[in-house]
Amino acid sequence: EAGVAQSPRYKIIEKRQSVAFWCNPISGHATLYWYQQILGQGPKLLIQFQNNGVVDDSQLPKDRFSAERLKGVDSTLKIQPAKLEDSAVYLCASSLGGGRGLETQYFGPGTRLLVL
Amino acid sequence: AQTVTQSQPEMSVQEAETVTLSCTYDTSESDYYLFWYKQPPSRQMILVIRQEAYKQQNATENRFSVNFQKAAKSFSLKISDSQLGDAAMYFCVVYNFNKFYFGSGTKLNVKP
Repeated sequence: EAGVAQSPRYKIIEKRQSVAFWCNPISGHATLYWYQQILGQGPKLLIQFQNNGVVDDSQLPKDRFSAERLKGVDSTLKIQPAKLEDSAVYLCASSLGGGRGLETQYFGPGTRLLVL
Repeated sequence: AQTVTQSQPEMSVQEAETVTLSCTYDTSESDYYLFWYKQPPSRQMILVIRQEAYKQQNATENRFSVNFQKAAKSFSLKISDSQLGDAAMYFCVVYNFNKFYFGSGTKLNVKP
């Protein structure tokens, strides 16, 4: 079974520039998560999708971050404009989404973003 | 918001020895799921072990086992016969109210 795919793996940009990350979840997984992990900290949930609908985006800085999951499969996360404090690893994860025992998350390798 | 507390930011263990990582959490629910995830340096996060709160029996996966104390809201991870490849950040995670809640992590060092 193929895992969660993310690209790019690394990105360096200057502040105020834009950047986009892509995630392809495991086939058949209805739930998709984007996390921000700052160095030395645990992951912080940015947004959670159930199929192509948003379940939780309460911690997404909506003035600069946006995410979409068209057709309930792939997802993109965009930052526009980037700030220095956005430097982090952006993790994508997916789970089956059926609740009750099906909620093990599978993580992608992450995208490491450095904002200069 | 639910809280997950890992009180040990960093721990060390000698190769082949046993180590226990602690985790406590706060929830008002009786039905939830608990996980330990491992994140090796510069590598992706992977599931180590999971526990359903409605099960009294502690989960075990090879050298990894948990001590789940539901009344005390405690969920510790025991690693037996530690190996160099066990060196990583370990995150305690609680699934509740359709959300995952992460602890701050414990960095485990394994000494040869």
